[in-house]
Formats: sequence, C-alpha cells, structure tokens
Amino acid sequence: EADIYQTPRYLVIGTGKKITLECSQTMGHDKMYWYQQDPGMELHLIHYSYGVNSTEKGDLSSESTVSRIRTEHFPLTLESARPSHTSQYLCASRKAGTASSYEQYFGPGTRLTVT
Amino acid sequence: AQKVTQAQTEISVVEKEDVTLDCVYETRDTTYYLFWYKQPPSGELVFLIRRNSFDEQNEISGRYSWNFQKSTSSFNFTITASQVVDSAVYFCALSEANTDKLIFGTGTRLQVFP
Repeated sequence: EADIYQTPRYLVIGTGKKITLECSQTMGHDKMYWYQQDPGMELHLIHYSYGVNSTEKGDLSSESTVSRIRTEHFPLTLESARPSHTSQYLCASRKAGTASSYEQYFGPGTRLTVT
Repeated sequence: AQKVTQAQTEISVVEKEDVTLDCVYETRDTTYYLFWYKQPPSGELVFLIRRNSFDEQNEISGRYSWNFQKSTSSFNFTITASQVVDSAVYFCALSEANTDKLIFGTGTRLQVFP
C-alpha cells in the first residue's frame, strides 16, 4: 500500500485567494508528479520533479507553481485562484531507477472548488 | 507519439457478468510499460498491474485478468463475475522507457448493478 498523503481532501475557496495543496510521501521516492483531472475524467500532467530542487512543467499548461525542497514534500501553489482552477488535483510518486519500479503511486487527491 | 485509447466511455453490467475493458496504445519505442489503474468514487488512483513490452504473458489475479497482445497493440482487462465493488473508473496508461511520463487513456466508467 502506498504511503502518499494529500491535504486538504476538499477545499472551497473564493476567487483571488492564494492556496497551497500539500503532498507528502514516506516511501523515499525521488520522482513526484501533479496531475489535474477534469470532470470528464481525463488526467493531465501539470508538474513533475526528479528530486530535490528539480521541478519541470508538464504537458498541460498550468498557472500553478511547485517546489521540492525536501524529498518527501511536493506542494503545489496557486497565487490567485480562479473558477477555471476548479478541478481534482492528484499527486503521485515513484522510485527512480530499475524498471520494476516504474509504477506511480497516487495520493487520495484534493478536490478544489473556486467560487 | 504516444497515445492510449479507451474507446468504451461507460459500461454497465449486472453483478456476476464478465466484462472486458479495452485498451489500445500507440508507441514507436520497442521498450515500454503498460498499466491499469482503478479510480473508485473516493477519488484515488489504485495501481492494478504493470506489464513490460517484452513480456507478453497474460496474467490472472483472482477475478482480474489481463491480455497483452503486441500484434494488435492492445492490453485488455477482464473482470470475471463482476461485483458491485468493481464499480469505478478504470484507466489504462503507457510509459516509454526513456521518459518519466505516464500517458493515460480517457478512462472507462464501469457500473456494476446488483
């Protein structure tokens, strides 16, 4: 069972507010990811990290930013939330290296609603 | 370019029926990995299986089985004797060996009615 945590699970916030979605894993995984999942179910990669001080943008352009100061922690920040940011955000991690470790393990997600 | 197609958007079955979820992929790499994930109503994605491109052996795990056929670029998932708890969205995904990205299909929503 994966040990990856996301908080909050649900968040309703007004337009213009700054928010940070937390993601932590206790598996010592080097690689971490953020996905955005729209109501039509499709998952889009918005950020990823190969390790401490490494962050890259994903395939879907996002106004959010991420940081990776510690291996276990990969928070996502929105400086000014807008209704278009309403979505589910899923964090994932995986171990680097051998082929047997290619699966990503996902957290429970944060469902964000911006009013 | 990588692509994963799950043509079935939604499937409804009655409990105890067998159901097969289709997955077709595209890749130019000879080394790649295929995955299935389950997303129950609670929202998290649960890893089910990983298959390497060089291993076409089919796999069975309880009521779940997977059929990998490179000749048709398919990696189908069958649930035997479905149960209400199988109701979820199921995603097929592809990763090439030289990238770190999972390419997901659009998912198939399975509803199992009692």
